[in-house]
Amino acid sequence: AQSVTQLGSHVSVSEGALVLLRCNYSSSVPPYLFWYVQYPNQGLQLLLKYTTGATLVKGINGFEAEFKKSETSFHLTKPSAHMSDAAEYFCAVRQTGANNLFFGTGTRLTVIP
Amino acid sequence: EAGVAQSPRYKIIEKRQSVAFWCNPISGHATLYWYQQILGQGPKLLIQFQNNGVVDDSQLPKDRFSAERLKGVDSTLKIQPAKLEDSAVYLCASSLVSSNTGELFFGEGSRLTVL
Repeated sequence: AQSVTQLGSHVSVSEGALVLLRCNYSSSVPPYLFWYVQYPNQGLQLLLKYTTGATLVKGINGFEAEFKKSETSFHLTKPSAHMSDAAEYFCAVRQTGANNLFFGTGTRLTVIP
Repeated sequence: EAGVAQSPRYKIIEKRQSVAFWCNPISGHATLYWYQQILGQGPKLLIQFQNNGVVDDSQLPKDRFSAERLKGVDSTLKIQPAKLEDSAVYLCASSLVSSNTGELFFGEGSRLTVL
């Protein structure tokens, strides 16, 4: 069975500070991994994804994530937070050969001026 | 390019009433998904269509939920009768192909409140 754990339901950072949102997955084989962002009253938007190849993945809005198989992690980072980054972030996993996308419970990011 | 359209955006009903949500996917997207997002939780897949056929409905509470995609384009999700625990945002998503690496494009969601 596969699952996704997002540590910290709420994260607050100061504007300009490093953003680190944690995601760990449980899977018998390396899955495909995704980060989505959800702004208030909007749908989910893909930030980035890891399928194969380079383990450091760059996404939109300056975000990136690194797939670490040994740690079963796919943490999301951004060097300098902007006010516009305030949103809810979801990590998701999709097993090869499967149809379903399993989402974590989400992390709400607050950016303090 | 138009995104995934959903309506209504908000719906308030009393328990035991019925409700229907509509979704129009991105043009040309063969795969359509309905997700349920309860407050404080991540989205959970209810049903997945490939064209007008059901690929996965294992998580759909079939005693009260139904969904259809008759012509392989628009889809409707119905709840009858609604329960308090059905209060959630219902997200529709579509993708170009049913692929593990394919990106899902989400609509803005339909927020249901059951009183």
